[in-house]
Amino acid sequence: EAAVTQSPRNKVAVTGGKVTLSCNQTNNHNNMYWYRQDTGHGLRLIHYSYGAGSTEKGDIPDGYKASRPSQENFSLILELATPSQTSVYFCASGDGGAGNTLYFGEGSRLIVV
Amino acid sequence: GDSVTQKEGLVTLTEGLPVMLNCTYQTIYSNAFLFWYVHYLNESPRLLLKSSTDNKRTEHQGFHATLHKSSSSFHLQKSSAQLSDSALYYCALSNTGANTGKLTFGHGTILRVHP
Repeated sequence: EAAVTQSPRNKVAVTGGKVTLSCNQTNNHNNMYWYRQDTGHGLRLIHYSYGAGSTEKGDIPDGYKASRPSQENFSLILELATPSQTSVYFCASGDGGAGNTLYFGEGSRLIVV
Repeated sequence: GDSVTQKEGLVTLTEGLPVMLNCTYQTIYSNAFLFWYVHYLNESPRLLLKSSTDNKRTEHQGFHATLHKSSSSFHLQKSSAQLSDSALYYCALSNTGANTGKLTFGHGTILRVHP
């Protein structure tokens, strides 16, 4: 029973379209994170959240919005998708603090054509 | 800001040989946590080991690393590579100054072990 689940796992979107990536965690962690994974760049932080109602910008937030309606759910929203947003997106949860372990979901592969 | 450097993008080894993946970091904070995450194909990235104690060896699943604050390094080592070690390895940094729990990752090193 995976503790962090993402949907959809695969998505093809058209340029200019809206994409929503969803993440659900059953770890009861306060913090949640969205990263994108690209060859040559590793994992880069897009947005994160300290709890329901909170969203914070990460290192590469441009072109992305985030929503944390509840402890369990954290969404990443691409209002106007562009081909440069083609990537694999990972959601993670953690209990906060410098030494906390992040627990990742399975990833969502997005292709923008 | 914080940064993590993994100088090797790809390491190819013969089974049985020792593994060493390099990781150096930069941060303005003295109390840094360093992590190694492993990402096997078709799985989620997961924690391999972590440390915040200077000069103390940390071990897990046959891998070990020692945080050296004097050289800002946290290299991952294993005495004998196995085929099942083939994966993408990320070094990552978190610090107590910001206390957000967010990690800064390196670019990753692909380890390929062949017979």
